[in-house]
Amino acid sequence: DSGVTQTPKHLITATGQRVTLRCSPRSGDLSVYWYQQSLDQGLQFLIQYYNGEERAKGNILERFSAQQFPDLHSELNLSSLELGDSALYFCASSAELASHEQFFGPGTRLTVL
Amino acid sequence: GQSLEQPSEVTAVEGAIVQINCTYQTSGFYGLSWYQQHDGGAPTFLSYNALDGLEETGRFSSFLSRSDSYGYLLLQELQMKDSASYFCAVRSHQAGTALIFGKGTTLSVSS
Repeated sequence: DSGVTQTPKHLITATGQRVTLRCSPRSGDLSVYWYQQSLDQGLQFLIQYYNGEERAKGNILERFSAQQFPDLHSELNLSSLELGDSALYFCASSAELASHEQFFGPGTRLTVL
Repeated sequence: GQSLEQPSEVTAVEGAIVQINCTYQTSGFYGLSWYQQHDGGAPTFLSYNALDGLEETGRFSSFLSRSDSYGYLLLQELQMKDSASYFCAVRSHQAGTALIFGKGTTLSVSS
């Protein structure tokens, strides 16, 4: 158990809908990273927040957005969902702004029908 | 741009030694990490190399050659439970504060 929690574990929704994925980092960690993992794909970095501020952006679609709240939990919002958005979404956390060691949550499996 | 290349699949038998290679292309390289992910599970950190040479952690070792933009993960005395995907990931100035992952290598260990 990494200490990172993610909810929900599974999410099934329809195309065009909007969903929110939630992540709570390890106690004391200020950095939160979001990743998308599609079938047979690696971990695609989406976005990073550090102490409430956006610090790095990867291949995140304009339909996706995220934020980190004062209690350091983070939410990833996915809107106008398409079939291709079906994937595992991982959240990771670290204590430092830039860390080679990140602690991953169990992931949220999103299925878009 | 930046890229990481690693083999998609590797197979081996219990007790054997296997090497998973990773070549990278980026600017302002800081270091190379390795992560393990069992099917459907969360990736977990294995090792990190910032300097040239070999880092050993139990049955697992990781090597880096900065001049060759190359690293590898060496797994010894393979066990069935080592069957998993292994990802290399770079930290670099180009990547900023993010880690950029390769597509992963699926290791299958048979008895």
